[in-house]
Amino acid sequence: KAGVTQTPRYLIKTRGQQVTLSCSPISGHRSVSWYQQTPGQGLQFLFEYFSETQRNKGNFPGRFSGRQFSNSRSEMNVSTLELGDSALYLCASSTQAYGYTFGSGTRLTVV
Amino acid sequence: SQQGEEDPQALSIQEGENATMNCSYKTSINNLQWYRQNSGRGLVHLILIRSNEREKHSGRLRVTLDTSKKSSSLLITASRAADTASYFCATDEGGANSKLTFGKGITLSVRP
Repeated sequence: KAGVTQTPRYLIKTRGQQVTLSCSPISGHRSVSWYQQTPGQGLQFLFEYFSETQRNKGNFPGRFSGRQFSNSRSEMNVSTLELGDSALYLCASSTQAYGYTFGSGTRLTVV
Repeated sequence: SQQGEEDPQALSIQEGENATMNCSYKTSINNLQWYRQNSGRGLVHLILIRSNEREKHSGRLRVTLDTSKKSSSLLITASRAADTASYFCATDEGGANSKLTFGKGITLSVRP
């Protein structure tokens, strides 16, 4: 069974730009959640999608948004990038029975 | 906000020794999970323990959970250099608020 796939692995963007990150969950998993990891704040929950609906949301500004498609693939978008958005963005797919499986992450650098 | 707080923050041991890491949390939980992360890469799920369980084993890993003290411990026996990584505990409250809340992590160094 293929794992969680995140693309791209690395990304460099300029302040003020926007970025879209992609996550393909494990086949059959309908829940996808996103986390941000920074040295200062650690791992923080961004949002969770289940069957194309946002089910839960963390404490991030509205510049951070996401969506999920009918095939459970998810994208997250960050608009008007700030230097502080530089982070490792991790996606996880999950089921009640087996818990969370994380992808390798997308390393975003904002310059 | 952090839910889990791991202790110690850093641990350095010799290969073959056991490593014990502790985690405390604040709210009621549905389950607690431990993850490993190598050099800022993705998180690898190690073990999940549910709130009605007290101890679980998986290979060289042993996890305990004490819900009355809101604490958990992860024991890695007979450590190897390949166990060098950051370890995180994460709690899940379950239900409509299901999400992982992570601690700051423990850096484990295993010297060959």
